[in-house]
Amino acid sequence: AQKVTQAQTEISVVEKEDVTLDCVYETRDTTYYLFWYKQPPSGELVFLIRRNSFDEQNEISGRYSWNFQKSTSSFNFTITASQVVDSAVYFCALSELTTSGTYKYIFGTGTRLKVLA
Amino acid sequence: EAGVAQSPRYKIIEKRQSVAFWCNPISGHATLYWYQQILGQGPKLLIQFQNNGVVDDSQLPKDRFSAERLKGVDSTLKIQPAKLEDSAVYLCASSFGTHQVDGEQYFGPGTRLTVT
Repeated sequence: AQKVTQAQTEISVVEKEDVTLDCVYETRDTTYYLFWYKQPPSGELVFLIRRNSFDEQNEISGRYSWNFQKSTSSFNFTITASQVVDSAVYFCALSELTTSGTYKYIFGTGTRLKVLA
Repeated sequence: EAGVAQSPRYKIIEKRQSVAFWCNPISGHATLYWYQQILGQGPKLLIQFQNNGVVDDSQLPKDRFSAERLKGVDSTLKIQPAKLEDSAVYLCASSFGTHQVDGEQYFGPGTRLTVT
C-alpha cells in the first residue's frame, strides 16, 4: 500500500544551523508525484515543492533544497541557515492513483521543526 | 487572487450534536477536497469532488458525515451526530484541474472542531 513515513516527530535547532527533514515513501505506481507542505501555527498548509517520479534532479530554492532518490524511495528536505520563521510542521505527501482514476494525496505524519533564537 | 475560504474557524459542540462547515474554493478550481487532521497526524482525505460530483469518498464515515458541493462551487461538510473522536481540524483544499497527478492543492485555514 502507498505510504509516507516521516520518522522525525520533532526537531529543534538553533538559528543559522542547517537541518534536514526526512521523507520515505512506498508506492506501486510508476508515475507519481511527491510534495512538501509547510504548516505554520496559523494552520494553513503552504505548498513548497512538487517533484515527479521521472525527475531525480535535486532542486534548490533560496535556503531550501530537496534531494530525491528513487533508489532509496526518499525525498528529503534541507533548510540551510535556519531562521525562527521556519518554525512549523512540515509534511511530505505522495500522490496516489485511486480506483476512480483520480489522484489524491497521502500525507506523512509531519515533522515539527523548532528553530530557537 | 483570493485563497480558499472556510468558516467557521473554530467550533465547540457537545457529543451527539450536529455541526456544519463551509468552504469556498479558489475561483475556477474544479476539484475540491475535504481533509480531517487529527492532532499530531497528517491530513486524511475525507471526500473529493470534481465540479459537483463525488469522485472519492472511500474514507468518509457515511453513517455520520455528509458533504455536498452545489453548483460545483461552494461546499459544506456536515457531521451528525458528532462523536468525541471527531475533534480535529477540517481542512478544505482546491485544485485547478481534474485527473491531475501533479495537481497542486491550495488549502484553506481550516476549522478547528472540539467535541466535548
